[in-house]
Amino acid sequence: QSVLTQPPSVSGAPGQRVTISCTGSISNIGAGYDVHWYQQLPGRAPKLLIYGYTNRPSGVPDRFSGSKSGTTASLAISGLQAEDEADYYCQSYDSSLSVNWVFGGGTKLTVL
Amino acid sequence: QVQLVQSGAEVKKPGSSVKVSCKASGGTFSNYGITWVRQAPGQGLEWMGGIIPMSTTANYAQMFQGRVTITADESTSTAYMELKSLRPEDTAVFYCARFETKFGVPQSLDYWGQGTLVTVSS
Repeated sequence: QSVLTQPPSVSGAPGQRVTISCTGSISNIGAGYDVHWYQQLPGRAPKLLIYGYTNRPSGVPDRFSGSKSGTTASLAISGLQAEDEADYYCQSYDSSLSVNWVFGGGTKLTVL
Repeated sequence: QVQLVQSGAEVKKPGSSVKVSCKASGGTFSNYGITWVRQAPGQGLEWMGGIIPMSTTANYAQMFQGRVTITADESTSTAYMELKSLRPEDTAVFYCARFETKFGVPQSLDYWGQGTLVTVSS
């Protein structure tokens, strides 16, 4: 059971737009800690996709965007492409004693 | 160009220990922290612990407390993760990743190692 909750899977056709949600609580997102998103292609290490809710590192296409509402962060991918098929993870920081860094359970994006 | 290069795959017996290294290049090692993340086969990412080399202080996820030790050697820009009392369910890919802190709060993991597969089997 992950501290941050993501849907297990989403899908969309090429060219469509999909969103992935990441719901936290008052000890992480609700406490004001940033949310970051990572893309993990099959067999590869995760790669930073969005940091600080909305910022893209250099080289990340602007088809990827992030947002926040309350204790939920969202990742949107527009103009879906076949190479976007991957696992996506959100991550934040938690002020509870048992864990500092928290990840979502991951969302598998399938491009139909 | 920042790179984190990890040591190679390991096969270990239950009850033994494994030590994985993560060598950084292309940046100032002491300006960043290193965290370790476990990914079991077909599963998600799980934070194990992290260290800020400049402070030499490590902190650990409660579920790994007492079994994991994270250290860093600034002279070689290398971080290490040692996991003891291995069990078959520890079979996983272990990643190191770099972060910086802002006002004492860790920020995103901007560079990742390639991963090290540790297989625990009798």
